[in-house]
Amino acid sequence: DQQVKQNSPSLSVQEGRISILNCDYTNSMFDYFLWYKKYPAEGPTFLISISSIKDKNEDGRFTVFLNKSAKHLSLHIVPSQPGDSAVYFCAAPGQYGGSQGNLIFGKGTKLSVKP
Amino acid sequence: DTGVSQNPRHKITKRGQNVTFRCDPISEHNRLYWYRQTLGQGPEFLTYFQNEAQLEKSRLLSDRFSAERPKGSFSTLEIQRTEQGDSAMYLCASSPLAGSYEQYFGPGTRLTVT
Repeated sequence: DQQVKQNSPSLSVQEGRISILNCDYTNSMFDYFLWYKKYPAEGPTFLISISSIKDKNEDGRFTVFLNKSAKHLSLHIVPSQPGDSAVYFCAAPGQYGGSQGNLIFGKGTKLSVKP
Repeated sequence: DTGVSQNPRHKITKRGQNVTFRCDPISEHNRLYWYRQTLGQGPEFLTYFQNEAQLEKSRLLSDRFSAERPKGSFSTLEIQRTEQGDSAMYLCASSPLAGSYEQYFGPGTRLTVT
């Protein structure tokens, strides 16, 4: 059973427009969420995170929103740029290792930003 | 560059052979993690170390897999008697002992078992 779900395998947007990537989770014990970006032939790179005590976190063009009641979070990229084309993973810390255990990842969403 | 490094980047082996991968974490990071990623999936946790101690292993880590971090610095992941199902990207990540949940990933080792 997947505890972190990204139901859209791919997303295509026009340069300059908003990209919205969605993530759902099933474990109400999750209290922190992270977004990673992955280019081909590279490892995932940390992008932005949010604690469950907040409902929004912003870093430049990237904003993550958290809706705890719906167990849903989303990553907004505004404006989208061709260099943002990558696979985006949503993740949450799992049960191993206490406060800094493993990360549980969704399957990812491949974002394509067209010039 | 002081990021996480992994060697080799690619490995092709025949079924039944043993393979070993190496990970060098960021030098001041105490925690080191191994993940496996297959096509269309996100990274899946295999095991992690705090310094030289292996603290957790997931159900994915069969007895053919063994990981070590002998001096609390670099780590090795060995797969014995490889099977075609072992073909995947093996990712290593590290994080400081205290601080955020962020983990810093290496570029991965892509294993192909023929």
